[in-house]
Formats: sequence, structure tokens, C-alpha cells
Amino acid sequence: GAVVSQHPSRVICKSGTSVKIECRSLDFQATTMFWYRQFPKQSLMLMATSNEGSKATYEQGVEKDKFLINHASLTLSTLTVTSAHPEDSSFYICSAAPPGAGTDTQYFGPGTRLTVL
Amino acid sequence: GDSVTQMEGPVTLSEEAFLTINCTYTATGYPSLFWYVQYPGEGLQLLLKATKADDKGSNKGFEATYRKETTSFHLEKGSVQVSDSAVYFCALGSGAGSYQLTFGKGTKLSVIP
Repeated sequence: GAVVSQHPSRVICKSGTSVKIECRSLDFQATTMFWYRQFPKQSLMLMATSNEGSKATYEQGVEKDKFLINHASLTLSTLTVTSAHPEDSSFYICSAAPPGAGTDTQYFGPGTRLTVL
Repeated sequence: GDSVTQMEGPVTLSEEAFLTINCTYTATGYPSLFWYVQYPGEGLQLLLKATKADDKGSNKGFEATYRKETTSFHLEKGSVQVSDSAVYFCALGSGAGSYQLTFGKGTKLSVIP
């Protein structure tokens, strides 16, 4: 099946710094990518929908100035957590959908564990 | 809004035991229902799906039936293997071509030899 990668898989940073997480679709072009956040023992919560060449659509309650999303190409979306704080520590997961795909054709990355000290 | 409730884990079973992971949902309209599996160190993978009432999704020996009357989509497997150890997520798709997925909290399954 299709492969989506994330980099890094784990990152530890100091409070106040910014962290960039990459999501790549390795063998297909993804016009739409999604960013999820997962707290321990909680479900995945959709943060934003990223469309290639346009601004991301953020879910209610997600600060767009804090979680910057860039989808500059059909195979890469980045999530930048700006001025990270300990409460931003979480597991961030991306998914990607090929053009014209339905809900069941999202391919998920393995996730990135962010720890903010 | 839409929501998914699945049984909390972790669940530990012996090999060849019967597995049930309960999942119920709340949604408006006619959602699609999914089970995703996440093996250690990997991304979520679609395990099975059902798009309308009474549909049965099946894959790799796992089954789940879309029950509209009980708003449920329980995952079952008759004989689990060690290789089935993973986290299982029940999810709901709002349909109508939307990518929006609402996930349950996930259930960690450990199968011991």
C-alpha cells in the first residue's frame, strides 16, 4: 500500500523554541493532507486540513498562529509548532489522501512524539 | 456532533482466543464506519470498513457489522494470533465525500503465546 513518512519520529525541545515536523507521501501525490494530535489514552483529534497550494483549514480551537502548516508540494506538508510549551507535548500524526480519494483512502504516517521541556 | 466510544484496554488474550472490541457511535445522517489498526512503530492502516447499515466489513479474519439499530460496529475475530497485537481504532466518517474522520480512543490488544 501507499506509504506516508514523518520526520522526525521523536523530538525533544526546550520551551519557547519552534519545532518543524515533516509529512511526506512517498509513492503518490497528495492534494490533501491532514494533521492529527493524540494525547495519551485519547483519540486522534483532527487539527487541520492541508491543501496543496492553499491555506490550511483549521479545526475549531486550534490556534493557526501556533501550529503553522505549509503544503508547498504534492508530496510534502509541514507542521511547525511555534514557541512550544510543555502543554504542546503530544503525538502528532499526519495522513495523506490521493486526488479524488474518498474517506477510506487516507494513508497515515507513523507519528511524531513531541516532548517540550 | 459525531462521536465514537470504544472499549478501553488494554486487552490481553491468549493465542487462539476469541476477540471482541466494542464500538458504538453517535452521528447524524448516514456515516461510514471503519476499523484502523496500528502496529508498533507504524502508521494507522485501514483494517475494514462498512458504508451502510447491515454491511459487514471483513479482512484478515476480522469482522464487524454496521448495526444502525444499536449504533454499533463491534470488531470480532474468532482466533487471534500473536501478530494481531496492536492498537485498534474505531472511526466514523461523515460521508458525502468528506475526509473527516472521528476516532475512538483506541484499544491496545496484546496476544500472548
